[in-house]
Amino acid sequence: AQTVTQSQPEMSVQEAETVTLSCTYDTSESDYYLFWYKQPPSRQMILVIRQEAYKQQNATENRFSVNFQKAAKSFSLKISDSQLGDAAMYFCAYRRRDGANSKLTFGKGITLSVRP
Amino acid sequence: EAGVAQSPRYKIIEKRQSVAFWCNPISGHATLYWYQQILGQGPKLLIQFQNNGVVDDSQLPKDRFSAERLKGVDSTLKIQPAKLEDSAVYLCASSLDRTNYYWEQFFGPGTRLTVL
Repeated sequence: AQTVTQSQPEMSVQEAETVTLSCTYDTSESDYYLFWYKQPPSRQMILVIRQEAYKQQNATENRFSVNFQKAAKSFSLKISDSQLGDAAMYFCAYRRRDGANSKLTFGKGITLSVRP
Repeated sequence: EAGVAQSPRYKIIEKRQSVAFWCNPISGHATLYWYQQILGQGPKLLIQFQNNGVVDDSQLPKDRFSAERLKGVDSTLKIQPAKLEDSAVYLCASSLDRTNYYWEQFFGPGTRLTVL
């Protein structure tokens, strides 16, 4: 079974600074997807960024980038130029690439606060 | 494009009562997911539908939970009878298809259930 671990329950960052959120996972699959989701107090899950395991290049989306280390099974999210609107819970998630089941397996999440 | 709709947004019931949640996925989305998110944890898949057929319900407590997807569109999730540990946010998500190709899962705002 696949597992996703987020060991930091909370983090805080100063507005305009950079913060890195950590995630590790365990799987026996060789091909899969990894995601970071944002969940604000409204509870709506929003996809932040996606990484395909077969791609060596790290994904980037504007101020968000990942550091994907496949051998170490590590997948961290870097938020640059942090904004007040970035304050939310962030979840790391895993999905198999093939097969009938496309469910997401989530970590416990990390609460990010942004100080003005 | 309208998002995933869920109702109600909040529900408070006594233990041993029954409750039902409704989800309307994005138009044209063949795959529908129900996730349970207990406070302080990441979402966990309860059931996945492909059109009106069940792909995965291995984590659904079938002695008390049931779900159906009529005509491959709307879905209802029912709990009968409810227990204290069922207090959680119930998230519905949908995607175009479950096959190998990646399709983003879009989440609804969730229903927060409190069992007293």
